[in-house]
Amino acid sequence: LAKTTQPVSMDSYEGQEVNITCSHNNIATNDYITWYQQFPSQGPRFIIQGYKTKVTNEVASLFIPADRKSSTLSLPRVSLSDTAVYYCLVGDERLTGGGNKLTFGTGTQLKVEL
Amino acid sequence: DAGVTQSPTHLIKTRGQQVTLRCSPKSGHDTVSWYQQALGQGPQFIFQYYEEEERQRGNFPDRFSGHQFPNYSSELNVNALLLGDSALYLCASSSTRDSFNYGYTFGSGTRLTVV
Repeated sequence: LAKTTQPVSMDSYEGQEVNITCSHNNIATNDYITWYQQFPSQGPRFIIQGYKTKVTNEVASLFIPADRKSSTLSLPRVSLSDTAVYYCLVGDERLTGGGNKLTFGTGTQLKVEL
Repeated sequence: DAGVTQSPTHLIKTRGQQVTLRCSPKSGHDTVSWYQQALGQGPQFIFQYYEEEERQRGNFPDRFSGHQFPNYSSELNVNALLLGDSALYLCASSSTRDSFNYGYTFGSGTRLTVV
């Protein structure tokens, strides 16, 4: 699986938009990009997944440039409850759907303050 | 919501002992994966079960073993516990029948402390 690089931590304030960028220079043709959120003492929670361009759901947007060597998770108008660790993962969607292993890095600790 | 259920939530064991952790997957899911998460680190893949067989395994010693039952629930067993086995153990379920990957569903984990 392609290795990913993310910032260790980020700070923000309530109501701001937060963008977390992930680098994955060795992404393969079949790889999808997936983001998970994890609160303390809980399991990671699936946020969003994409292959190229832009994907949006009710909680976030994912921007993927044409070369796919990076991606940006965008959280609109964050609140205190968005304080969590965010993980960027890259893997072959054909396998992850049924069950390939997920390779987590250390993630990005987002802290949202008033 | 029939999400992933793990038991127990917390456990304290002594070095050298054996432990069994349990997981019930989300309704409709047939694949169970186990992860170990040390403090401050991301989850690390232990192994995955599908159709009652171990399908993939991460870089963990044979002291870590598992089982999947016909109802898709699963157990993780760890023998000869070491202090370094202290971690949050996460179970994740998924479905091979999903035409689109909605991602894995994780349980809240079992916090194992080895003393």
